[in-house]
Amino acid sequence: QVHLVQSGPEVREPGASVKVSCKASGYSFTNYEIVWVRQAPGQGLEWMGWISTYNGNTNYKQKFQGRVTMTTDTSTSTAYMELTSLRSDDTAIYYCAREGVDAPMATHKWLDPWGQGTLVTVSS
Amino acid sequence: DIQMTQSPSSLSASVGDRVTITCRASQTIINYLNWYQQKPGEAPKLLVYAASTLQSGVPSRFSGSGSGTDFTLTVNSLQPEDFATYFCQQSFITPHTFGQGTKLEIK
Repeated sequence: QVHLVQSGPEVREPGASVKVSCKASGYSFTNYEIVWVRQAPGQGLEWMGWISTYNGNTNYKQKFQGRVTMTTDTSTSTAYMELTSLRSDDTAIYYCAREGVDAPMATHKWLDPWGQGTLVTVSS
Repeated sequence: DIQMTQSPSSLSASVGDRVTITCRASQTIINYLNWYQQKPGEAPKLLVYAASTLQSGVPSRFSGSGSGTDFTLTVNSLQPEDFATYFCQQSFITPHTFGQGTKLEIK
């Protein structure tokens, strides 16, 4: 069974950094990309970017360029998302998700499954 | 970025009803459209991908349709567990943006 298990809640002061982990199990980690999505309290979903677990290539939403770093550790099947220079409006639940693709063309992409989410609270 | 607009933002319905949620893209996305269901306190769950392909394990009362810029998610014969928030997402061009969500409530 495919599972993504994320690290626990975090509280940070404005200006600090946070690093969230996402441990995958039940499938070959390097066969699927990992996407990070966040959801501010009571709000919608925001796509942050993805990372290739095969070669480490990344694609970040422009809004987060320079503040976000996505990495992986293939030895432990774990993906990480680090966000720096935190502001109060970064308070949100951060989700990782596996990006599925349609074989063999790999044109359509979707997110399934998702991790349970990690609440990051930014407050002084 | 491609803007995704869902309507309505909220919807009240009864068990057994048929409901339709609409998602419109700001430019053509062909059929690169996914639908997710999210219940309070839970992560989103994939329902439909490529506009009309039902994810394995999703009940057949759910269906998706559309192409180009206009898409719909239909739920036939609503069940109590279907009351949740639904999001569309385009996967045509990054960033893969989401709609703002449609909250389906019990009437």
